[in-house]
Amino acid sequence: DAKTTQPPSMDCAEGRAANLPCNHSTISGNEYVYWYRQIHSQGPQYIIHGLKNNETNEMASLIITEDRKSSTLILPHATLRDTAVYYCIVRVAGDSWGKLQFGAGTQVVVTP
Amino acid sequence: GAGVSQSPRYKVAKRGQDVALRCDPISGHVSLFWYQQALGQGPEFLTYFQNEAQLDKSGLPSDRFFAERPEGSVSTLKIQRTQQEDSAVYLCASSPPLGNEQFFGPGTRLTVL
Repeated sequence: DAKTTQPPSMDCAEGRAANLPCNHSTISGNEYVYWYRQIHSQGPQYIIHGLKNNETNEMASLIITEDRKSSTLILPHATLRDTAVYYCIVRVAGDSWGKLQFGAGTQVVVTP
Repeated sequence: GAGVSQSPRYKVAKRGQDVALRCDPISGHVSLFWYQQALGQGPEFLTYFQNEAQLDKSGLPSDRFFAERPEGSVSTLKIQRTQQEDSAVYLCASSPPLGNEQFFGPGTRLTVL
């Protein structure tokens, strides 16, 4: 079973920030929070990951609460191409043995 | 391109047929994963290779499913005597040593009639 819970869907207006929540209340001390997304008819794509500090890259920002029981993925300026299913996953970083345990994810629809 | 490639992209099989799905990982990637994704659900882990060694096959749903990676590069997922419940998208992913990111191929959509 996935170790995370996410809302099944959310809408976002183009050009606005999209804030995607994720609960992971049973996360272990050595587990990182990963985010992937899957655009229709494509394979999943890595977005970002973090342990306890906030992280930012060219795609998104990741905000992790101090108790690490939840996090938020932020897409700062959503575009129509950001319409996808977003998956929040916890796993040990740098562990190439680490299979990804996907849940159902959040279907994000960006509207004009 | 230098991404993960999978073939065929689409496969239709009659119930009871055997199928073979191919994955070409990114060159130099040691780790290779297979996932199964049913319609409307997230991908589910099937099996994992490190080079040619199959280190985890706990996700294979039955003994009809078999995967190999004999030379540590290309991998093949074989399904014998296909059933309708095998209809799904089969995703392959590869990862470099100590990699944090798995790179996914586009998947093979298998439909069993």
